[in-house]
Amino acid sequence: QQPVQSPQAVILREGEDAVINCSSSKALYSVHWYRQKHGEAPVFLMILLKGGEQKGHEKISASFNEKKQQSSLYLTASQLSYSGTYFCGTELGNYKLTFGKGTLLTVNP
Amino acid sequence: DGGITQSPKYLFRKEGQNVTLSCEQNLNHDAMYWYRQDPGQGLRLIYYSQIVNDFQKGDIAEGYSVSREKKESFPLTVTSAQKNPTAFYLCASSSSGELFFGEGSRLTVL
Repeated sequence: QQPVQSPQAVILREGEDAVINCSSSKALYSVHWYRQKHGEAPVFLMILLKGGEQKGHEKISASFNEKKQQSSLYLTASQLSYSGTYFCGTELGNYKLTFGKGTLLTVNP
Repeated sequence: DGGITQSPKYLFRKEGQNVTLSCEQNLNHDAMYWYRQDPGQGLRLIYYSQIVNDFQKGDIAEGYSVSREKKESFPLTVTSAQKNPTAFYLCASSSSGELFFGEGSRLTVL
């Protein structure tokens, strides 16, 4: 079952912040985040293991709430290069990685 | 250079024909995956394999088949039983969680 992402799309001006959410109805072992630019392959951003840890990657960070089976991706002071479709992937501990439908992020000057 | 190579990049086929998409990796990864991408549907898992000679069905395996005879290779066959095969297909591999994706193969059924 695909995890549910929200919002489906978001438009920002350069320098603004955004949050993308991902939720699952099943107990998760890990949550992955990827970004895909138009016409390109998805690129790995970060992985979070169960335990409520938070990770960061430059101005992009994420959290994982194990009890709620939810993860959020935080984009701070967005740049034009952040534009793309963001996917969360969830894994139950069996190598089966299932992705959500994606969130289209557009950053305008 | 290490990476994942998918071929062909573009493929056209007539209805009723089987077609095989190639996926090769030289990253020495154990796990390999096939995803299908359609507009608005995200990435949907077709098949995945953790080790050689073993693979599992994903969420939309009907009409597809795979093999994993070598660690480096994980070909996907789209059979005539797949009712709506026109899509973008992505192969990926992994060794410690992070997925590395190939550039994809776009299949169009005429």
